[in-house]
Amino acid sequence: QVQLQESGPGLVKPSETLSLTCTVSGDSINTYYWSWIRQPPGRALEWIGYIYYSGNTNYNPSLRSRVTMSVDTSKNQFSLNLNSVTAADTAVYYCARTKGASPFDDWGQGTLVTVSS
Amino acid sequence: IVMTQSPDSLAVSLGERATINCKSSQTVLYGSNNKNYLAWYQQKPGQPPKLLLYWASTRESGVPDRFSGSGSGTDFTLTISSLQAEDLAVYYCQQYYTTPWTFGQGTKVEIK
Repeated sequence: QVQLQESGPGLVKPSETLSLTCTVSGDSINTYYWSWIRQPPGRALEWIGYIYYSGNTNYNPSLRSRVTMSVDTSKNQFSLNLNSVTAADTAVYYCARTKGASPFDDWGQGTLVTVSS
Repeated sequence: IVMTQSPDSLAVSLGERATINCKSSQTVLYGSNNKNYLAWYQQKPGQPPKLLLYWASTRESGVPDRFSGSGSGTDFTLTISSLQAEDLAVYYCQQYYTTPWTFGQGTKVEIK
């Protein structure tokens, strides 16, 4: 049974960079596609993008100019950087797994990131 | 692709049927394999979404058979045949036909 766990600061200042890491256990990261998804409080889900273990990425055009994802196969981790954050980036951030063009079949518990000075 | 769900919220008596609709702004039916790239998720407060159905109508392992999905192309339905107390949640549809993968706005199911 794969498990995903997000980690990172819960508070980020406006204009700074939000950085999160997802640690995968119970399965190798060297398969599947690994996504970040966010959910502002009381609102719907938004897919941010995915990274494949090879490093190939696909970002949501709405965030592409501010997003960078990376993968560390030696640690079975992948990461999200979102720069120039504003209050609109306050959300619960989830990491999740897909097999490509397929649904998200496993999710982390999510981590709330608040953007505030 | 924009995903639009209706209604935004739904109040149903225990044991009764709940029906949620999802409409995509363009088809999510892939002609070469005749599959609809459409999933349904259930999200309870404080929890991540849980996959219920994929390919529009295939239940994920362990999902009770009171959950069913139907539809094709651009119009889809999630049906809970006999609502149980544990089904109180927000339900989302999602298309994985093309990136950016997109979700509906959610439908909150409550008890009448």
